[in-house]
Amino acid sequence: EPEVTQTPSHQVTQMGQEVILRCVPISNHLYFYWYRQILGQKVEFLVSFYNNEISEKSEIFDDQFSVERPDGSNFTLKIRSTKLEDSAMYFCASSEALSYNEKLFFGSGTQLSVL
Amino acid sequence: AQTVTQSQPEMSVQEAETVTLSCTYDTSESDYYLFWYKQPPSRQMILVIRQEAYKQQNATENRFSVNFQKAAKSFSLKISDSQLGDAAMYFCACLDDKIIFGKGTRLHILP
Repeated sequence: EPEVTQTPSHQVTQMGQEVILRCVPISNHLYFYWYRQILGQKVEFLVSFYNNEISEKSEIFDDQFSVERPDGSNFTLKIRSTKLEDSAMYFCASSEALSYNEKLFFGSGTQLSVL
Repeated sequence: AQTVTQSQPEMSVQEAETVTLSCTYDTSESDYYLFWYKQPPSRQMILVIRQEAYKQQNATENRFSVNFQKAAKSFSLKISDSQLGDAAMYFCACLDDKIIFGKGTRLHILP
């Protein structure tokens, strides 16, 4: 079965540093998402992306965050100046269609630790 | 606003027994999808089962089945013949224009 891949699986960074989390969605998918999960808490929506632009973002997704699809395969999440509270598991997901999609495919996540 | 509520933070079940995890949701859309995701200790998100809101028949995947009550906005997951490998965090989710997750239910399997 096709899968979404995320790299790295674990990233450690110093507070204030910039990080880029990388994702390779499934090749024929058109919609891309980032979610995060702070340890012990629920999975939270960050942003959705379609046709090279953000289609929706949550209040968590402030000016410190940005997303990009730099080429035809990668989908990245950049955190400009990391804070301690950004420590979480970040999940990338992709889907072939939006509301009537049958399946949302998740990557296995990147564990971000901000020190 | 779209919400998903899982009222059971933790549950335990004896191996080989049946357990039901509860979920209620709210959405203003008439067309939507419902999902149960399993999150093992590796923290990967694994799709367990999905239900299209327009289908009245409850979805089934091997030992996993759902009880979908559209009018009540209820979507519970039943796991039959529980196995040790079923131990995980289970998230209920609702997809209309974006997917929203509940807070999760931690399921323990007792040998």
